[in-house]
Amino acid sequence: QITLKESGPTLVKPTQTLTLTCTFSQFSLSTNGVVLAWIRQPPGKALEWLALIYWNDDKRYSPSLESRLTITRDAPKNQVVLTMTNMDPVDTATYYCAHTKAGRFFDYWGQGTLVTVSS
Amino acid sequence: DIQMTQSPSSLSASVGDRVTITCRASQSISTYLNWYQQKPGKAPKLLIYAASSLQSGVPSRFSGSGSGTDFTLTISSLQPEDFATYYCQQSYNTLPYTFGQGTKLEIK
Repeated sequence: QITLKESGPTLVKPTQTLTLTCTFSQFSLSTNGVVLAWIRQPPGKALEWLALIYWNDDKRYSPSLESRLTITRDAPKNQVVLTMTNMDPVDTATYYCAHTKAGRFFDYWGQGTLVTVSS
Repeated sequence: DIQMTQSPSSLSASVGDRVTITCRASQSISTYLNWYQQKPGKAPKLLIYAASSLQSGVPSRFSGSGSGTDFTLTISSLQPEDFATYYCQQSYNTLPYTFGQGTKLEIK
């Protein structure tokens, strides 16, 4: 059974950089066709796709946030890291990592981690 | 970006009812449309992918249809565990992937 779990700070100050880690099991990000995603959801609002990282280390970002996002992988550790710079209170959200099927839809999700941006 | 609009935004129904939720895309997305169910405090769960394919383990009372710009999610006979918020998501060839605003399904 594929599992994913997000970890990172629960509170960050405005202008700080957020670093989130997704630790996964029962698959390898080195396997052809595997793609992982980050998605967020502000409290009471809809889901927003943020980034993808592919088995071949290709990366894709949401255009509206691309200048602030970096997604990287540590394949031997089965981890993917998302960094978001210049955090703002509007970035307060639950951040999810998800396994994607063919990079198209999200078939396994982590439990999510709530990040609050406040001074 | 492709905009996804769901209707209704909220819906009250009773156990046993047949329910349909609609999702409309701002441009044609072929059948690159997926549906998720989310319960409070939980991660979304994939129900339907590619407009009409049922994800493994999802009850057959859930079905999806549509192509182009108009799509529907149907629950044939509502069960108590189906009361949740439902989201559509497009995965057409051009990023970003986008989600609808959600449809909250409540008990009447």
